[in-house]
This record gives sequence, C-alpha cells and structure tokens, in this order.
Amino acid sequence: QQQVKQSPQSLIVQKGGISIINCAYENTAFDYFPWYQQFPGKGPALLIAIRPDVSEKKEGRFTISFNKSAKQFSLHIMDSQPGDSATYFCAARGGSGNTGKLIFGQGTTLQVKP
Amino acid sequence: NAGVTQTPKFQVLKTGQSMTLQCAQDMNHNSMYWYRQDPGMGLRLIYYSASEGTTDKGEVPNGYNVSRLNKREFSLRLESAAPSQTSVYFCASTQDRDLYEQYFGPGTRLTVT
Repeated sequence: QQQVKQSPQSLIVQKGGISIINCAYENTAFDYFPWYQQFPGKGPALLIAIRPDVSEKKEGRFTISFNKSAKQFSLHIMDSQPGDSATYFCAARGGSGNTGKLIFGQGTTLQVKP
Repeated sequence: NAGVTQTPKFQVLKTGQSMTLQCAQDMNHNSMYWYRQDPGMGLRLIYYSASEGTTDKGEVPNGYNVSRLNKREFSLRLESAAPSQTSVYFCASTQDRDLYEQYFGPGTRLTVT
C-alpha cells in the first residue's frame, strides 16, 4: 500500500529552467516530510525537509512548498543545472507511535539538459 | 569516517540459494534500516532496528531475516532466494529513531536467476 504518491516518474528540463516534483499523502499523522536525492550508483542522501506547520522552506535553489489542507507537497528546483540530474524521492515520517519509519514515494528521475 | 558500508556490492544467486548482506556504520548511530529499491516502487522498508538488541518488521519482510549483531552491524539474510528478490538493497542508519535524516550506504545489487 503506497501511502505517498509521487509524480512525475521522469522529468526532462533545460538548463536554467524550473524542475517541479509533486507528492501527495493520505496519513495525517505524518510529522516530517524530507526529500532525498540519489545519484546513479549511490545511496540516497537528505536534500531538504519540512514540517507540516510550515508552508514553505527554501535552501539555496531548492524549495519545498507544503499544502496541509490538500495533503500535498512539492519540490521546486530553480535554475536547474546538469549536476542536479538525479533521482529524487519524497518521503514522510511515520509520526506518533511510528517514529523512525520513513515512507518513500516512487521516485522521479530528473534529467537537466545543457 | 567511512559512514555506512555494505558488502558485497554485486551478487548473483540461483533460486533457492542463501546469502547474507552485511552492513556496518561507524557513526555510533542507534537505529539501522534495510530497504529494497525497485523501479517505480521507490524505497521500501524491509526490517529496522530502533536500537541494539531490537528488530522489527517493515513493509516487505517476507523472505528475509535480520540480525543486529552489535551497535555497528546489521545484517540481512535471504534464506532461500527467489527471482522476486532481485533488487538493489540499501542499508541506512540514524542517530535516533526520532530523527528523519537517515544515512544510506552505497547499496548491493542482487540478481536472483
């Protein structure tokens, strides 16, 4: 049962463009929403995270937008660069009584063309 | 610091064979996890260990067993491999189960024929 749904599955963006990846969840007990970045042949690594009481968080060119009422959140990559080409996973942390467990989305493979 | 290390990097098994995937971390983390990554499925939790001496099932535990050997090491065993277990396996750790930042190893690519 997939509790976090991620789209699109793949994305191609021109250098300098904006990349947008969307995620939706159902369980309102989730209490943290991290994004992980994975380069080919490597393990995922934390990129940025947000709590559900915050509507937006920005770190450099990466921004998370969070819509609690719609149970949706998205990752925006501004001024996308070829070095951003990777697979991105959204995730949700289990919440009370289920801490430490991350539920991951299906992943989005991003290709940034030079 | 090496972080999270996994061995082997690649493995090919025949159906019915057994093997153990090894994971070790040198960050003095309390919690450790095993995931499998399949195309279009994201990362799915197989087993986790919130602290030394404890293990719990995740989303897809069938066909696997784990051992938290000590604080550093967490192994995953396939007793009788099946083609459905062909996947990339990742080990991860975090200082405390209440933290959302998990540190991942480089993965083991397993093929079962």
